Amino acid sequence: SQQGEEDPQALSIQEGENATMNCSYKTSINNLQWYRQNSGRGLVHLILIRSNEREKHSGRLRVTLDTSKKSSSLLITASRAADTASYFCAAYTGGFKTIFGAGTRLFVKA
Amino acid sequence: GAGVSQTPSNKVTEKGKYVELRCDPISGHTALYWYRQSLGQGPEFLIYFQGTGAADDSGLPNDRFFAVRPEGSVSTLKIQRTERGDSAVYLCASSLTSAGEQFFGPGTRLTVL
Repeated sequence: SQQGEEDPQALSIQEGENATMNCSYKTSINNLQWYRQNSGRGLVHLILIRSNEREKHSGRLRVTLDTSKKSSSLLITASRAADTASYFCAAYTGGFKTIFGAGTRLFVKA
Repeated sequence: GAGVSQTPSNKVTEKGKYVELRCDPISGHTALYWYRQSLGQGPEFLIYFQGTGAADDSGLPNDRFFAVRPEGSVSTLKIQRTERGDSAVYLCASSLTSAGEQFFGPGTRLTVL
């Protein structure tokens, strides 16, 4: 079974608005990664945050990590229609597994 | 300047048949993962290779599934006696280290009739 869970399952916003997606996981992690997937095929890595980091930025992306709550959030600012995709968090537990959540489906309306 | 490639892109087979799915990782990436993704779900971990050896195969659902990486680059996922429940997109990813960013291939969509 998946370890990560994303919330919400689906999100629809207007272009220019911010989109926030949340992820929870079950065990301790080495790092947590966020990926984007278009059209149900290959995933693209967005950002990696290590367990000793609390916040990280990359362009319009901001990721936070709260290891005490075993949760992370991904914020996309000033969203664009091209941001329409599914977003997954992936918990790397320090063994060899990377455990993905079920994803948040984001739809940005132009 | 290739990324991860997977062949075939689509595979349709009949229940009970044997299939092989191939993954060509990025050159120099020692870590290689196989995942399976069903519609509306996230990728489900199957197996991880570090070099030629399977360091973690705990995600393989049963003994009908097997994967190899004999020379530490190309990997083949093998499924025997396919069942309709095996239908999914099979994704391969590679990375420089086991803890790092993973680069995914486009996937192979397997349909078992």
